[in-house]
Amino acid sequence: NAGVTQTPKFRVLKTGQSMTLLCAQDMNHEYMYWYRQDPGMGLRLIHYSVGEGTTAKGEVPDGYNVSRLKKQNFLLGLESAAPSQTSVYFCASSERDSYGYTFGSGTRLTVV
Amino acid sequence: KQEVTQIPAALSVPEGENLVLNCSFTDSAIYNLQWFRQDPGKGLTSLLLIQSSQREQTSGRLNASLDKSSGRSTLYIAASQPGDSATYLCASPNQAGTALIFGKGTTLSVSS
Repeated sequence: NAGVTQTPKFRVLKTGQSMTLLCAQDMNHEYMYWYRQDPGMGLRLIHYSVGEGTTAKGEVPDGYNVSRLKKQNFLLGLESAAPSQTSVYFCASSERDSYGYTFGSGTRLTVV
Repeated sequence: KQEVTQIPAALSVPEGENLVLNCSFTDSAIYNLQWFRQDPGKGLTSLLLIQSSQREQTSGRLNASLDKSSGRSTLYIAASQPGDSATYLCASPNQAGTALIFGKGTTLSVSS
């Protein structure tokens, strides 16, 4: 029972490089979310999706793009990485809005 | 805009002690309040969800209460154990009800 799987688990990027973080869930959940967690700042919502083909901005969307082409996958893209994007990124999914969140184990990203 | 605050930021107690973690929120028109646990380097695990029509929820040694009128929730842990050491986060839906807004968490350390 995999739940929510995030890849990669660790990544180091140089400033200006691009990358995509992949989140996959096998629970047929409608809602998916991307959060970032920073010391002293807590978890902050980047983008979320309320269903296949939909995306919406959260609290801190600048510098990120997302896509939900398939119901089970939610991709987070960084087009031009900056040191301020060094963080731990968590993906989550839920069957309905704000209920029954399942979190992935996180991706630790360092931008140098 | 919903804001969630947790006090204290850190707490150290000896094994066996009963303890209370506090959470406050600014928008009392919430329809649920949730408590999560996060172990170091891991994702979040859901502990308790309190519906707005409920005043409390219990799971084993954990009891969470909700007082919408005062904008507060508490997580009570009975007979604490070293295995309870973790960061505890509370969360409430945003105003649109589409995603959870998290507090910064209380890091609990239980010594044996």
